[in-house]
Amino acid sequence: GQQVMQIPQYQHVQEGEDFTTYCNSSTTLSNIQWYKQRPGGHPVFLIQLVKSGEVKKQKRLTFQFGEAKKNSSLHITATQTTDVGTYFCAAFDRGSTLGRLYFGRGTQLTVWP
Amino acid sequence: EPEVTQTPSHQVTQMGQEVILRCVPISNHLYFYWYRQILGQKVEFLVSFYNNEISEKSEIFDDQFSVERPDGSNFTLKIRSTKLEDSAMYFCASRWAVNTEAFFGQGTRLTVV
Repeated sequence: GQQVMQIPQYQHVQEGEDFTTYCNSSTTLSNIQWYKQRPGGHPVFLIQLVKSGEVKKQKRLTFQFGEAKKNSSLHITATQTTDVGTYFCAAFDRGSTLGRLYFGRGTQLTVWP
Repeated sequence: EPEVTQTPSHQVTQMGQEVILRCVPISNHLYFYWYRQILGQKVEFLVSFYNNEISEKSEIFDDQFSVERPDGSNFTLKIRSTKLEDSAMYFCASRWAVNTEAFFGQGTRLTVV
């Protein structure tokens, strides 16, 4: 099935520093979604990217979809303690009729005050 | 804001026992899913459900698992004879359309002892 590799697995930053997580696939993705999971919480949808080269921003978060639609990234500018959590990319299974998602392993972000 | 609700939040069961995990998806959603997350690992797809039948299932979803939507609101996951390796957080998710965001419930933490 679809595989998405996500790096790094862990990232520790001081408040105010930037953070980036990367998601890569060996195959072309139809689209990709990003979710955030707070410690002890559930995945919460952040954004969906569909078009080649797409860039979307949500306040301090910038999401990119590669030109070849094989990679994606999430960049947080000037992290805050509220950004703590695990960020997952999730790719749609091309062969799935109901939008089965393949999640990456996630990047666990810790922010020191 | 509408949300997916899951009960119980935590279930402890003895190996070999049957468990039923319950979910109430968002009311106008049509597509329903179960995912699981073993502690510290990625979120894994189990099954998708539409129009009162299973659409897709993963290799994890073997004969011990079943899903039902008995009354048009609840969506249940049954594990007939639990194993130690079934211990995980189980998330229910729903969508109103296939290519949109998935709304996840708070999860049920299943502990098999």
